[in-house]
Order: sequence, then structure tokens, then C-alpha cells
Amino acid sequence: AQSVTQLDSHVSVSEGTPVLLRCNYSSSYSPSLFWYVQHPNKGLQLLLKYTSAATLVKGINGFEAEFKKSETSFHLTKPSAHMSDAAEYFCVVRRNTGNQFYFGTGTSLTVIP
Amino acid sequence: NAGVTQTPKFRVLKTGQSMTLLCAQDMNHEYMYWYRQDPGMGLRLIHYSVGEGTTAKGEVPDGYNVSRLKKQNFLLGLESAAPSQTSVYFCASSWFPETYEQYFGPGTRLTVT
Repeated sequence: AQSVTQLDSHVSVSEGTPVLLRCNYSSSYSPSLFWYVQHPNKGLQLLLKYTSAATLVKGINGFEAEFKKSETSFHLTKPSAHMSDAAEYFCVVRRNTGNQFYFGTGTSLTVIP
Repeated sequence: NAGVTQTPKFRVLKTGQSMTLLCAQDMNHEYMYWYRQDPGMGLRLIHYSVGEGTTAKGEVPDGYNVSRLKKQNFLLGLESAAPSQTSVYFCASSWFPETYEQYFGPGTRLTVT
């Protein structure tokens, strides 16, 4: 079975403070993992991806994520939130045999000025 | 290079009407996908295609049909629209998906009354 759980549906942070968006996955196989961002009324944009190379992955706009196999987690972090980071974030998993991507239910990030 | 485009951007249908959503990509991607996005549910896969002339069912295929007659186009059809099909529909494409991310279109907002 393959699933992904985003542990928080809403996260609110103050501008300039760290961001942590949590994602856990379940997979019988070594997966590929992705974080996408969706700004209001827009399509999805890739932030970063993990594909069995380095476990700490750096993405665009200062985001990064760490793959922890022992914890089956792929949490997204950013040291300092910016107002433009306010958006919906999706954790996505793909088993390395197969054609389907599985989406979490999303985390809405609010950044307070 | 337009990436992934979707037509139309908005549509309102009456129950029982039919329509076709068009997705086009100019990146020569083999794989194409149709998703629907509903509040609190993330993106759910409707149908996908692994190449020209092929289609396969995803997680929520009922009430939809698809065709991939040309590599660059992936059509999603609603034969008899129902209010439960009110949603935002996203098309995506990718190269062979082992390590490659999906590229998303801007979405089509469909309302069925």
C-alpha cells in the first residue's frame, strides 16, 4: 500500500520565523518524494524532490526537506518565512515501480506580518 | 515553450450535459495525468496515460473518459455531468516518472448545477 499523510492541515507562522510542514509516508518500497506549492488560483509548482540521492534536499525559495527512512518522514522546512510563502503545500509520493503519484491532503500555510 | 496548457479555464454545466477538457503539453512527455482537486482532499487521480494511444484508470475514474490520440494531447470527457463532478481539474505531464516530477497545467474550474 502507498499513502502519504500531512500531519497539519493549517500552519500559521510569523514573518521571519521558521517554517515546518510535516509529511509522513508509508511505502513497501523505496519511494520518490516531492513537495509542491500551490498559490491561490494557480497550478502546482515543484519545490523539491527526493529520488534516493542525498537525504537532505534543497529546493527553490529557500525550502529544504530531509528524507528520514527510519521515521518514514519527509518534512519541509524553511529558516525564515516570507509573506510570499503563504500558499497550499502538498507532499507527494511515488513508488519507484509504477506510474502513479499519491498526494497528501495539503497544508495551508499562513504567514502573519 | 508553453509547458502544460488547459482549455477551458472555467466552465459551468447543467446536470446531464457533456463536455471535453483539453490538455496539451509541448515538452514531449510520455506520461500525462488528469486529477481533480476538492477541498480537504488533495489531488486525486482520475485517469492517466503512459503513451500515445494508451490510457489507464486512476483512483476516481467513474463518470469520466479519456483519450490520448496524439502524444501532446490528453482529453478528459464528462459524458453526463453531475453536481458531484464540480471541482477543479488539473492536467499534468512527466517524462518517465522514475525520478521525474510532474508539470502541472493552470487548472479548469468546473461547476455543475
